[in-house]
Amino acid sequence: AQKITQTQPGMFVQEKEAVTLDCTYDTSDQSYGLFWYKQPSSGEMIFLIYQGSYDEQNATEGRYSLNFQKARKSANLVISASQLGDSAMYFCAMPPSAGNKLTFGGGTRVLVKP
Amino acid sequence: GAGVSQSPSNKVTEKGKDVELRCDPISGHTALYWYRQSLGQGLEFLIYFQGNSAPDKSGLPSDRFSAERTGGSVSTLTIQRTQQEDSAVYLCASSPHGTSGEAETQYFGPGTRLLVL
Repeated sequence: AQKITQTQPGMFVQEKEAVTLDCTYDTSDQSYGLFWYKQPSSGEMIFLIYQGSYDEQNATEGRYSLNFQKARKSANLVISASQLGDSAMYFCAMPPSAGNKLTFGGGTRVLVKP
Repeated sequence: GAGVSQSPSNKVTEKGKDVELRCDPISGHTALYWYRQSLGQGLEFLIYFQGNSAPDKSGLPSDRFSAERTGGSVSTLTIQRTQQEDSAVYLCASSPHGTSGEAETQYFGPGTRLLVL
């Protein structure tokens, strides 16, 4: 069974600064990937970024980048130049090797301060 | 095109009543998923439909929960004899194919907030 752990329940970040959200995982699959989703107060889950375990370079999507360290089984999300609109819950999630039902971490609440 | 839509957005019901939650996936997406998010907790997988295959019901918490997908498009999640612990946000997602071997991005709807009194 897969397990996703997000150890930071909540954190503050100053506007325009970078923030790193931790995500560690446990899986027996040889090939796997990690998703990050954002959930603002409206409730909708918004896809941010994805990286597969065999991707050689860390994924980047605009201000979001994924710091994938397989030896440590971590896939941290880095948000650069934080904006007030980044205040939300952030979830790390992993699909299984068969099927697509995602296993989610417990989430990290980010509050960006002006 | 339009994203995943869900209705109702909010539902308040009395304990013991049945409720139906609806999900309209993105047009053309063959895979559809239901998740539940209880207060202060992460998302919990409930059920997964992929094309005409038998659904993966492994996440349904009890036999009071059921879901169907008609015509490969709209899905309805039904909770019978609701209990207070069923209070949660029910999220629906869809993806283009849902086949194994390649991870697909799932696109989520806004959710239905269910409160059982």
